[in-house]
Amino acid sequence: AQRVTQPEKLLSVFKGAPVELKCNYSYSGSPELFWYVQYSRQRLQLLLRHISRESIKGFTADLNKGETSFHLKKPFAQEEDSAMYYCALTPGRNSGGYQKVTFGTGTKLQVIP
Amino acid sequence: EAGVTQFPSHSVIEKGQTVTLRCDPISGHDNLYWYRRVMGKEIKFLLHFVKESKQDESGMPNNRFLAERTGGTYSTLKVQPAELEDSGVYFCASSQDGGRKTQYFGPGTRLLVL
Repeated sequence: AQRVTQPEKLLSVFKGAPVELKCNYSYSGSPELFWYVQYSRQRLQLLLRHISRESIKGFTADLNKGETSFHLKKPFAQEEDSAMYYCALTPGRNSGGYQKVTFGTGTKLQVIP
Repeated sequence: EAGVTQFPSHSVIEKGQTVTLRCDPISGHDNLYWYRRVMGKEIKFLLHFVKESKQDESGMPNNRFLAERTGGTYSTLKVQPAELEDSGVYFCASSQDGGRKTQYFGPGTRLLVL
């Protein structure tokens, strides 16, 4: 069974401090990993996906298959980063049901001015 | 371009009543998904439509839930009869055809069963 674990419900950091939101997953094959974000009063939206290997709004995430982790990082937090962040996975493209997204419970990031 | 829309935004009903949630995907998106977040828990997949066909309904909790997508456009999710544990936020998402297309989420419908 596929599972995504986000151990922190709330992460508070000061503006300008580094951010790391933790995410671990369990899946028997080669999944695709994502980070979704939900800002206050806005809808859930895709932040980044591991296959793109891109940096969005200063955030990066590296897939570590050995540790089955996909932590989200940003070197300097900004107030506008305050939001709910969800780590998620889908089965690999060669697996059945590959469009089904499994979410973690989410981490609320609070950036203190 | 309009995003995914959901109606109603909130619904408060009594246990035993029926509620129907509606989702209008982005125009041209063949894939439509329903998800649910129960208080304090993760967002869980319910089902996936490709056009009007149910591709995967493995996440539907029980037979009190019925999803339809007649004509392959908007979708409805009916809960009948509603139970207390059905309370939560119901999200709809849509994506273009193809395996790795981004899913765009609607704002969700907050359902409270009393």
